[in-house]
Amino acid sequence: SQELEQSPQSLIVQEGKNLTINCTSSKTLYGLYWYKQKYGEGLIFLMMLQKGGEEKSHEKITAKLDEKKQQSSLHITASQPSHAGIYLCGADRSASKIIFGSGTRLSIRP
Amino acid sequence: GAGVSQSPSNKVTEKGKDVELRCDPISGHTALYWYRQRLGQGLEFLIYFQGNSAPDKSGLPSDRFSAERTGESVSTLTIQRTQQEDSAVYLCASSPVGTDTQYFGPGTRLTVL
Repeated sequence: SQELEQSPQSLIVQEGKNLTINCTSSKTLYGLYWYKQKYGEGLIFLMMLQKGGEEKSHEKITAKLDEKKQQSSLHITASQPSHAGIYLCGADRSASKIIFGSGTRLSIRP
Repeated sequence: GAGVSQSPSNKVTEKGKDVELRCDPISGHTALYWYRQRLGQGLEFLIYFQGNSAPDKSGLPSDRFSAERTGESVSTLTIQRTQQEDSAVYLCASSPVGTDTQYFGPGTRLTVL
C-alpha cells in the first residue's frame, strides 16, 4: 500500500465548480508538498505545508494541513480548464527519502 | 517488475569537483525527467527527455548542469564544479508513451562540502 494515499484517483468536474483532493498518511508528515503535472511537462510545485493547521492559497487553489499533520487537502474554487491535470502530493519521509501519493487526475468539463 | 533505479544513493563530494548521477528508467518508458529537491523546498524541474526529440532543458539552473540520454535508456546528470548550493536530493522519473504518469526513482542525495 502507498504511504501517501490520495483520493479520489480521478475527478471530472463541471467548469466553475469547486473541488477537493485529499492526501492522507498513517504517519506524521514533515513537509507536505503539492504538485501539478500536465502531459509532457515536468511537475510544477504548487505549495509546501509544514505546520499543523497551516493553510496556504495561490490564486484559486488552497491547501491545508490538519492539526495532526497526517492529512492535507487541496481545494480549487471555481475550477477552470487550466486546472486540468494530475495533482500529486509528496512528503519528506526522511532526510534522503521523498515519497509521493498516487496522484489525482482532474478533468474539467466545459 | 523493476522500477526506476538511481545510483549512487548517496554522494558526498568536495566543492569544485564534478559528479555524475545515473538514472535507469523503467524499460520501454520513452519520457525521462530529472528533478532536484533542496532541503525544505519543493521539487525543481531540471530537464525532460522524450524519445529522440530535443530535450527540454529549461529547468537547468546553470551551464554547470548537463544531462544526456541515449535513446530510451539510461540517463546521466552531470554537475561540473559543484557548489554547496547544489546539495540536494536528485530525483529521476520516467513515463511510458501516451501517459503522463511519472514513476519516480529513489533519488540520489548529493552533499557538497
